[in-house]
Amino acid sequence: EAEVAQSPRYKITEKSQAVAFWCDPISGHATLYWYRQILGQGPELLVQFQDESVVDDSQLPKDRFSAERLKGVDSTLKIQPAELGDSAMYLCASSHAGDSPLHFGNGTRLTVT
Amino acid sequence: SQQGEEDPQALSIQEGENATMNCSYKTSINNLQWYRQNSGRGLVHLILIRSNEREKHSGRLRVTLDTSKKSSSLLITASRAADTASYFCATDPSGNTPLVFGKGTRLSVIA
Repeated sequence: EAEVAQSPRYKITEKSQAVAFWCDPISGHATLYWYRQILGQGPELLVQFQDESVVDDSQLPKDRFSAERLKGVDSTLKIQPAELGDSAMYLCASSHAGDSPLHFGNGTRLTVT
Repeated sequence: SQQGEEDPQALSIQEGENATMNCSYKTSINNLQWYRQNSGRGLVHLILIRSNEREKHSGRLRVTLDTSKKSSSLLITASRAADTASYFCATDPSGNTPLVFGKGTRLSVIA
């Protein structure tokens, strides 16, 4: 079964540094999501793409976070500068349009020191 | 913000027993979904129940939905050690909006 690919799997960075995460969704999935999950909590939406367009980024801290999906396929999430509170699991998910179930990647575990 | 609230936060049972997890939510929904997450991994979709459905089955899973009480339950029958994971409910308000996840129930199945 096709999977959502994410890299890197783990990332350790110092505060004030820049960090980037990459996601390759399942082929044919028009909708792509970035979620952030703090340890012991549920995932919280950062940004939703429909093809290359941002549909919802209301919860994205835009002063330091940016996301793009230039060709409507893979996506990059960037944090600059990283803060201690950004330590979390960053999960990418994709789906067909509508209310189709989400398919998640295994995430990037970010530790900011 | 998180709409769903799972109960209990943690559950420990013996292999072979049934496990029941509950989810309450605040606003009207188009559908409710349950996901499982093994430690350090991504979430895996288990089952989707629509607002006009009351019960749904998939293998050892049984999900109920009571829209009047804004609540859902997930029953795992004849649990196995491999069922040890966190389970999340997620609500979809309109059918085309991002899912809103609860905080999850951590299930431990002891062999």
